[in-house]
Amino acid sequence: GDQVEQSPSALSLHEGTGSALRCNFTTTMRAVQWFRKNSRGSLINLFYLASGTKENGRLKSAFDSKERYSTLHIRDAQLEDSGTYFCAGSGSFNKLTFGAGTRLAVCP
Amino acid sequence: NAGVIQTPRHKVTGKGQEATLWCEPISGHSAVFWYRQTIVQGLEFLTYFRNQAPIDDSGMPKERFSAQMPNQSHSTLKIQSTQPQDSAVYLCASSLDWGGAETLYFGSGTRLTVL
Repeated sequence: GDQVEQSPSALSLHEGTGSALRCNFTTTMRAVQWFRKNSRGSLINLFYLASGTKENGRLKSAFDSKERYSTLHIRDAQLEDSGTYFCAGSGSFNKLTFGAGTRLAVCP
Repeated sequence: NAGVIQTPRHKVTGKGQEATLWCEPISGHSAVFWYRQTIVQGLEFLTYFRNQAPIDDSGMPKERFSAQMPNQSHSTLKIQSTQPQDSAVYLCASSLDWGGAETLYFGSGTRLTVL
């Protein structure tokens, strides 16, 4: 079945710095979505991409269906960016397959 | 727009009892999904409906789990004879449509604890 390998599983950043999260897909995905779990535990959609890149504020995401990966870049990290981030691919049978998540901690 | 509404937020059942979870999708959304989240398995797909019709229930444990969508404004997930391993956060999500091409909006989930 479809599988999604998300890395790193945990990440610690100082305020103002940046890093990237990555998801590798074992099969060709038609699209990818990135989510962040908020303080109430809800999954909030950050990006939907069928190809290329999208940017929103300090976040930027890229998706390469052919190479089977997607990335989420965070720049100028702020304390409120702390949380768990998930990627999910739309593959076979029109359902999302989620990565295991990345726990991001932003420190002063 | 209140988003996807799930009730109850928390449910505790005894082993062998039945649990019914409710979901109200965003108005106008034609696709409704159920997922389950556990620490061990992460987020797992259970089932989804499109225009109230069941499309794919490949993630549903066959014997005790069932899902329905009697009208466009709500869906239910029923678990009969609950077992401790059913304890999880059950998430409902909706999207405008589904061709692999629509943003998914999640509810806050129902945390089910089976004692």
